[in-house]
Amino acid sequence: KNEVEQSPQNLTAQEGEFITINCSYSVGISALHWLQQHPGGGIVSLFMLSSGKKKHGRLIATINIQEKHSSLHITASHPRDSAVYICAATGNQFYFGTGTSLTVIP
Amino acid sequence: DAGVIQSPRHEVTEMGQEVTLRCKPISGHDYLFWYRQTMMRGLELLIYFNNNVPIDDSGMPEDRFSAKMPNASFSTLKIQPSEPRDSAVYFCASSLGPGPWETQYFGPGTRLLVL
Repeated sequence: KNEVEQSPQNLTAQEGEFITINCSYSVGISALHWLQQHPGGGIVSLFMLSSGKKKHGRLIATINIQEKHSSLHITASHPRDSAVYICAATGNQFYFGTGTSLTVIP
Repeated sequence: DAGVIQSPRHEVTEMGQEVTLRCKPISGHDYLFWYRQTMMRGLELLIYFNNNVPIDDSGMPEDRFSAKMPNASFSTLKIQPSEPRDSAVYFCASSLGPGPWETQYFGPGTRLLVL
């Protein structure tokens, strides 16, 4: 069993749709990270959060510590949001989800 | 700042050869991380340093892999001898701290192919 589980694995959306990617973890953590990996391969850290909610532009990340669950939301999705989104839990060790491949169709 | 710099960007080598990957972290960052990404296993942490000292190398797959950080602005990941199963993208990342769980900034990666 993986310590970090992401769902869905693949997601296709129409431009403008609201998107949610989920991440559940089973270990104690200091922080939960959301990473974005573009088709070219580069990785960008989107959010680092240990409680509550963070917002950056059209992206919102939430975490529920009690339920050990985090979500990444994208409002008004755009084709440039097409990427792989990776959830990572960090504490004494580092645990990575397998990623969610998002394709936004114009 | 130029961000995290990695070299080379691409490396093709033959099985048994020594491979050295290089990383220059963002100036002032106290933490440096080496990751490996493959289709089968996804992203994996190999080792990380704090103030040039290796803190956790439990992710290093075997003795063929070694990493050093001789100063705050340079780190190497060496594979000797290389094997085809080492083919992957290797990322270096750095963070300011105060802990290893803070926001990390990734380099562009080195795409390694071992024939």
